[in-house]
Amino acid sequence: GAVVSQHPSWVICKSGTSVKIECRSLDFQATTMFWYRQFPKQSLMLMATSNEGSKATYEQGVEKDKFLINHASLTLSTLTVTSAHPEDSSFYICSARKRRTSGRILEQYFGPGTRLTVT
Amino acid sequence: QKEVEQDPGPLSVPEGAIVSLNCTYSNSAFQYFMWYRQYSRKGPELLMYTYSSGNKEDGRFTAQVDKSSKYISLFIRDSQPSDSATYLCAMSARGSQGNLIFGKGTKLSVKP
Repeated sequence: GAVVSQHPSWVICKSGTSVKIECRSLDFQATTMFWYRQFPKQSLMLMATSNEGSKATYEQGVEKDKFLINHASLTLSTLTVTSAHPEDSSFYICSARKRRTSGRILEQYFGPGTRLTVT
Repeated sequence: QKEVEQDPGPLSVPEGAIVSLNCTYSNSAFQYFMWYRQYSRKGPELLMYTYSSGNKEDGRFTAQVDKSSKYISLFIRDSQPSDSATYLCAMSARGSQGNLIFGKGTKLSVKP
């Protein structure tokens, strides 16, 4: 299998505080992990791509100082939302890609998501 | 024009019906095409993927890619209530490190 977990599954925090979300690949090594944000009735929007041991690459319009990403190992990536505001309330989903094999298809496996509510 | 267009629905069908879900795209560089199923408040689950043009069948699901028309489809035969979910198409271009561009998703409801 290819299981990706996220923790916590949901979190409520006060405006101005920071929240850390963990993403783990449980049964495979992930050289690349992706962080997405999904607003209600909207598609998944890629926020950043992180490769193990290197700095994350952020998509245009995503503040790297606000959304801190750390990909410390081949099985763990974290997203920290700093100084959260109500407009940061969203569904955050990570995905992980297996270490490249001989196949051409680049499959991504998604975590169950973390629902963040900032009050 | 957005890179990937997908009718958000909702789409409601009776149990046993054949469901057709579609996406159009504008970037001719896309070569990898995926369909994901997402249940409410859950992460997307990969259903099928196709490289370049053609058909692929897996059980009750068939994925079709028509690159000349920039049009992809997912067919579900003998639909079941458990198929009720949001279906997202996604695609990427070779050399883009696999960064997926998603459609908005079509919400499907299969009524018993």
